[in-house]
Amino acid sequence: EIVMTQSPATLSVSPGERATLSCRASETVSTSLAWYQQKPGQAPRLLIFGASTRATDVPGRFSGSGSGTEFTLTISSLQSEDLAVYYCQQYSKWPPWTFGQGTKVEIK
Amino acid sequence: DVHLLESGGGLVQPGGSLRLSCADSKSNFDQFAMNWVRQAPGKGLEWVSGITASGTTTYYADSVKGRFTISRDNSKKTVSLQMNSLRVEDTAVYYCVKFDLSWGQGAPVTVSS
Repeated sequence: EIVMTQSPATLSVSPGERATLSCRASETVSTSLAWYQQKPGQAPRLLIFGASTRATDVPGRFSGSGSGTEFTLTISSLQSEDLAVYYCQQYSKWPPWTFGQGTKVEIK
Repeated sequence: DVHLLESGGGLVQPGGSLRLSCADSKSNFDQFAMNWVRQAPGKGLEWVSGITASGTTTYYADSVKGRFTISRDNSKKTVSLQMNSLRVEDTAVYYCVKFDLSWGQGAPVTVSS
C-alpha cells in the first residue's frame, strides 16, 4: 500500500503568517491527492482535491500544490479559525485509501 | 452540504455485533464506490472497507477482514457495515465516505465491557 508521510507533526504559526504543510507519498499518486481539515469533534472537511483544486466554499487562503510524490498545503495568512489537524490522503490506488498521520496547526 | 447520514453506532461488549448504515440523499449514489473510514480516539484516519458502485466487489483492511462485511442497496441508496466479533480496538468514530470524497458526520462505536 502507498504510505503517506506528513511533516511537521505540529506547526505553530502567528496569525497573519504563512503556514506550509508537507505530504510525501511512498510512490507516485500523480495528482490524486486530497487535503482535509479536522476540528475537534467534527468530521474531516475536504479542502483540496486533485492536489490543487479548492473544494466548494473553501477560502482562497488555502492552496495546494505538487504532483507525483511531493505535495504542499499552504495557508497564506493564518486565521484563528484555522486551528485544526490537517490530513493528506491519496486516492490514486484503491484499495486501500491511505492517509497521512496529520499535522496539527497551532496558533502562536 | 452533508448528504451522507450514518446510523447504528453505540456501545457494545467485546465479541458483540453492530450494524452501521449510511443513507445518501443524492441521486448519483449508484455511480460511486463507497467506503468506511474510522478514527480511534485521539488517532488518525484509517480506511476500513470499500465496495464498488455495482456492489459486486468488496474490500477490507487486514484488521477487520473476516469480521466485518460491507454491503449496499442502490435502490435505497444505502451502504452498510456489519461488524461482528468486535474488539476493544475497534472503538472509533466510523465515517461513511463516497468515492467523490464526500463524508458523513460519523457514527461513534464503543466496544467495552
